[in-house]
Amino acid sequence: DAKTTQPNSMESNEEEPVHLPCNHSTISGTDYIHWYRQLPSQGPEYVIHGLTSNVNNRMASLAIAEDRKSSTLILHRATLRDAAVYYCIPDTSGTYKYIFGTGTRLKVLA
Amino acid sequence: DVKVTQSSRYLVKRTGEKVFLECVQDMDHENMFWYRQDPGLGLRLIYFSYDVKMKEKGDIPEGYSVSREKKERFSLILESASTNQTSMYLCASRQGHLNQPQHFGDGTRLSIL
Repeated sequence: DAKTTQPNSMESNEEEPVHLPCNHSTISGTDYIHWYRQLPSQGPEYVIHGLTSNVNNRMASLAIAEDRKSSTLILHRATLRDAAVYYCIPDTSGTYKYIFGTGTRLKVLA
Repeated sequence: DVKVTQSSRYLVKRTGEKVFLECVQDMDHENMFWYRQDPGLGLRLIYFSYDVKMKEKGDIPEGYSVSREKKERFSLILESASTNQTSMYLCASRQGHLNQPQHFGDGTRLSIL
């Protein structure tokens, strides 16, 4: 199973961009990278996913390194509601399993 | 938007009771999952179902069983509840194609006394 490494915590000021990194150096060539976030007392919420090229949606952008060993989730303007634990998860091809790591706890300062 | 609904947000049961946790999704998803989440241990997969009446054990199936009689509903059963099953339980669903994201419910916080 591909392993991920994320910083335990990060801080950002409100209205500023946030770049959340994830290292997944053991990922295979066909594994998508999925990002989720979890607010207190809620289930994980899907944010974005991608394979090779950069992806954008209404919530965030995902930048995937050319060698696919790392990716970065970009929140363009952090709000207080973005304070959560963010997980990056390789979606291992051929299995149904997600392996959740410990994620990055994002704190947004007003 | 996908809606995954878990029947209870909070539940308190006694040791030895048979406990049923229900999950319903409204997007005709083939795959459904049950996880538990504990501090310091993250989310761990208990069981999943890739289609109606089909099930596979996850990483920690001991003490649990599941039922999937209809596509939209996936039930988790604690056969004889024990205190070490006190946890947050999360249900998820997704389309049957690999690489599609899972969509989670808001969880059931279960306390076994």
